[in-house]
Amino acid sequence: GNSVTQMEGPVTLSEEAFLTINCTYTATGYPSLFWYVQYPGEGLQLLLKATKADDKGSNKGFEATYRKETTSFHLEKGSVQVSDSAVYFCALKAYTGNQFYFGTGTSLTVIP
Amino acid sequence: DGGITQSPKYLFRKEGQNVTLSCEQNLNHDAMYWYRQDPGQGLRLIYYSQIVNDFQKGDIAEGYSVSREKKESFPLTVTSAQKNPTAFYLCASQSYNEQFFGPGTRLTVL
Repeated sequence: GNSVTQMEGPVTLSEEAFLTINCTYTATGYPSLFWYVQYPGEGLQLLLKATKADDKGSNKGFEATYRKETTSFHLEKGSVQVSDSAVYFCALKAYTGNQFYFGTGTSLTVIP
Repeated sequence: DGGITQSPKYLFRKEGQNVTLSCEQNLNHDAMYWYRQDPGQGLRLIYYSQIVNDFQKGDIAEGYSVSREKKESFPLTVTSAQKNPTAFYLCASQSYNEQFFGPGTRLTVL
């Protein structure tokens, strides 16, 4: 079946620290992979995506590379800001079918 | 502006009452979804619809009902049969390879 596993939080970092949030997946075929971000009390927003192996998605200083050999899509940012405090969700869309599969989310708090 | 609207933002319900959550989109998407989010948990799929007048149960459909009479609208009814309805409810619509989310409705049962 299809599933996503992401590192549990919460994660607390100081401003300007390096961020990694791990995400691994199980899927048949060649899924598309996504990172969504949720700010307090809001819906989810797409942060970045990658649709094939070795693609790198990037946005707002965040990056993630689609690694088929390790079935991973880890989220990274070189220098986090207080405004990056949010919950981050890793997700996949299977090659066949329309349904998305979400991880459980990782809460990030950045302190000044 | 294109997007998804959900109303109301906050909703309070007494036990034993049905309540309907609104979801409207003007993105011209065929597919729409309802998710439930509980504190510290991920998104759980309640119902989804790939096309007007058709919908499918998700993983936690018991105690919920939906309709899809128009492409733009996908309302969710939380019935009295739902034993623990207090949660944050998210509606989404989908283009080919991206889901777009509304701002959510927080339902509290008193």
